[in-house]
Amino acid sequence: AQSVTQLDSQVPVFEEAPVELRCNYSSSVSVYLFWYVQYPNQGLQLLLKYLSGSTLVESINGFEAEFNKSQTSFHLRKPSVHISDTAEYFCAVSEENNDMRFGAGTRLTVKP
Amino acid sequence: DTEVTQTPKHLVMGMTNKKSLKCEQHMGHRAMYWYKQKAKKPPELMFVYSYEKLSINESVPSRFSPECPNSSLLNLHLHALQPEDSALYLCASSQLPQGANEQFFGPGTRLTVL
Repeated sequence: AQSVTQLDSQVPVFEEAPVELRCNYSSSVSVYLFWYVQYPNQGLQLLLKYLSGSTLVESINGFEAEFNKSQTSFHLRKPSVHISDTAEYFCAVSEENNDMRFGAGTRLTVKP
Repeated sequence: DTEVTQTPKHLVMGMTNKKSLKCEQHMGHRAMYWYKQKAKKPPELMFVYSYEKLSINESVPSRFSPECPNSSLLNLHLHALQPEDSALYLCASSQLPQGANEQFFGPGTRLTVL
C-alpha cells in the first residue's frame, strides 16, 4: 500500500521569503499526488494535484509542486509567502481504486 | 455547485446521547467519505461509500454507524460515544474511481463528548 512522509512538522518563515514543504511517497504502482491546505477550524482545501502529464503543477495563489518519480517526491514551493499562507499543509498520495493516504502535515507559520 | 456541506458545525453530547452528523453534495460524485481528525493530526479515514454502498470500514467501533440514503447524502449516526471520540469529523466526496480523483471536503463538525 502507498504511504507518504512529510519531512518537516513545522516550518517558520518570514513574510516574502521563499518556502519549500517536503513530501516523499512510497508506492509500487502509479500514483496520484495532492497537496491540501487547512486553515484553523476549517476543512481541507485542495491546493494542487498531479494526476498525469506535466510534472510541474501550479495553484492559483502562487504555489507550485514538482512530481519527481526518481526521488519519489512531490515538494511544495512558493517563491514569496504572505501572512495569509499560515496554515497546515497536508501531502496526500493515492493509487487508482485505493483510498487516499495523508502525511502527518506541516505547519507553515509566516511571521511579519 | 462545488461545495460539500456539513451540519451541525458544532455538537456537544453526553455519553448516553444519540445524535447524527449530516453531509450533502450536489456535484454528482458517487464516492463519499467520513474522516476523523484529532488536533494537530491528519485526517483518519473511517468509512467509504461507492455507489451508495459501504466499500470500506476502517475497523471503526460500532458506536459509529454510517448511512448513505442516496447519492447526495451521507449520515453518521452516533451512540454511546466516549470522550476520546471528541474530534473534527470531516465529510468528503469524489468522482470514481477513487484514488484517481481529488476529494472535496466539507468544513467539518466539531464534536465534543462530555
